[in-house]
Amino acid sequence: DQQVKQNSPSLSVQEGRISILNCDYTNSMFDYFLWYKKYPAEGPTFLISISSIKDKNEDGRFTVFLNKSAKHLSLHIVPSQPGDSAVYFCAASGANFNKFYFGSGTKLNVKP
Amino acid sequence: DAGVTQSPTHLIKTRGQQVTLRCSPKSGHDTVSWYQQALGQGPQFIFQYYEEEERQRGNFPDRFSGHQFPNYSSELNVNALLLGDSALYLCASSRTDFLGNQPQHFGDGTRLSIL
Repeated sequence: DQQVKQNSPSLSVQEGRISILNCDYTNSMFDYFLWYKKYPAEGPTFLISISSIKDKNEDGRFTVFLNKSAKHLSLHIVPSQPGDSAVYFCAASGANFNKFYFGSGTKLNVKP
Repeated sequence: DAGVTQSPTHLIKTRGQQVTLRCSPKSGHDTVSWYQQALGQGPQFIFQYYEEEERQRGNFPDRFSGHQFPNYSSELNVNALLLGDSALYLCASSRTDFLGNQPQHFGDGTRLSIL
């Protein structure tokens, strides 16, 4: 059961512009949402998270938005840099934060 | 401060064999989760260990088992290997904090190939 979905397998953006990565989920009991970045031959690296009691969380160039009514979250990267080129995974868990569900990932390519 | 370390990095086995993968959590972390990542997919939750017990389990058969040691390190065992078990196996550690959510930190994984 695919409870977390990333419908765009890839995204290409020009350096300096905004990158918007999207994620949808089906389980209304999810309480905690995260974004991870993954380079080839490395494990996923935690990027930013948001609790269901918030609708926005910002950390430097990265902002995550949560729309609970639409069961949708997005990651904005501004400005995008070539070093941001990687696969981005969104993940979600319930209030017990024991079990995380991951999307299938979006490959971001930031062109110089 | 060492992060999550996994061994070995690569492993080749044949069908029917058994394999053991190892994970040392990040310093200060007491909870270890294991994930299977097939090519082109996101990580799929196998199980999580806390206080040396399996706390949560995903939709994986009993051929997949684990263990957590008093020093919080963990092992993933897979018996009777199938071709479909070929994947990247990721270990993630976190600190169980009942006051709030904590992100999981991942190792670089073990690439398991079944011939």
